[in-house]
Amino acid sequence: DAKTTQPPSMDCAEGRAANLPCNHSTISGNEYVYWYRQIHSQGPQYIIHGLKNNETNEMASLIITEDRKSSTLILPHATLRDTAVYYCIASDNDYKLSFGAGTTVTVRA
Amino acid sequence: GAVVSQHPSRVICKSGTSVKIECRSLDFQATTMFWYRQFPKQSLMLMATSNEGSKATYEQGVEKDKFLINHASLTLSTLTVTSAHPEDSSFYICSAVPGTLGENTEAFFGQGTRLTVV
Repeated sequence: DAKTTQPPSMDCAEGRAANLPCNHSTISGNEYVYWYRQIHSQGPQYIIHGLKNNETNEMASLIITEDRKSSTLILPHATLRDTAVYYCIASDNDYKLSFGAGTTVTVRA
Repeated sequence: GAVVSQHPSRVICKSGTSVKIECRSLDFQATTMFWYRQFPKQSLMLMATSNEGSKATYEQGVEKDKFLINHASLTLSTLTVTSAHPEDSSFYICSAVPGTLGENTEAFFGQGTRLTVV
């Protein structure tokens, strides 16, 4: 799996959009970008994934740059329950995932 | 979404005893499940791949005789920590993928099991 780099932490205000960056400059053509999050003392929760095109689901949007070297996860209206560690993973498979340190996101009222 | 359930969610055991953790896919079949371990303030580390009907595949540095994995059915994998010691205290998490590997679905994770060895 390609290495990913994320900021260690970020704060965001409740009700505002949260933009989480991820660099994956060595990503290969067959690797997808996956985002998971882990709320304290729980198992990881799938958020979204994409290959080239931007993706949107009920939880978030994923914006992937044209050169695929970086991406941004957007939580459109952050709530206190979105406080978690967010993991960006570049992988050519959807099951054997290599988790990095992630970004600890704290949503503040 | 699909549900993966782990049991127990918390367990405390004495040093030297064995502990079994169950991972069940409740509404789908999974020929392959995965076991992770997470120490405090660290990320998840893959321990092993559990294959239904065959031997598990362990990651480098994980002792197969200490962490016994059995995948007896398409919906159940078990991890047994044998002769547990305090350094085995950790958060153990399983995951499973519906359908055939490589079909580009997402992995579903259990809620984790907090093991404390005293």
